[in-house]
Amino acid sequence: AQTVTQSQPEMSVQEAETVTLSCTYDTSESDYYLFWYKQPPSRQMILVIRQEAYKQQNATENRFSVNFQKAAKSFSLKISDSQLGDAAMYFCASAANDMRFGAGTRLTVKP
Amino acid sequence: DSGVTQTPKHLITATGQRVTLRCSPRSGDLSVYWYQQSLDQGLQFLIQYYNGEERAKGNILERFSAQQFPDLHSELNLSSLELGDSALYFCASSPDGNTEAFFGQGTRLTVV
Repeated sequence: AQTVTQSQPEMSVQEAETVTLSCTYDTSESDYYLFWYKQPPSRQMILVIRQEAYKQQNATENRFSVNFQKAAKSFSLKISDSQLGDAAMYFCASAANDMRFGAGTRLTVKP
Repeated sequence: DSGVTQTPKHLITATGQRVTLRCSPRSGDLSVYWYQQSLDQGLQFLIQYYNGEERAKGNILERFSAQQFPDLHSELNLSSLELGDSALYFCASSPDGNTEAFFGQGTRLTVV
């Protein structure tokens, strides 16, 4: 079974600044995907970014980018130019035959 | 709109009762996941189906059961409900069970 660990229960960032959310995972599969999901107060789960494990290049989606370190089984999310609308719970997930989530990091954005 | 439909959106029931939550996946998706999210908690993986067959099982209680039908919709049955079962239950679907999952809006279950 896969495990996903998010060691930061809460993070805070000033508007327009950059913040990095950490995630480590463990899987015995060689072919897998990694994701970051955002859950705003509405509780809707929104996909932020995905990374295929076989790709060395780090994924980027506008202000969101990841630092994927396969050997270290690390998958962090960097949010640049933080906006008030980025405030939410962020979940890291690993998918290989099933999908498991970390405990989440609550991000607060200060104006 | 993710394309995943969950019904009902809200459900209030008494302890000891049984309820059924329904999920219609995105068109073409073969895999369905069920997750439980208690207040301010993470997503606990319950079970996954792929094309009608159980593919993976997580921390699903024996009082809970699920199935995926030939038309690929899925149902999660919760019986002998307890106060602690109150939670948001998410269904998600993916094309093959290995790539990103698309989530429904969730069913908020309150057991009183």
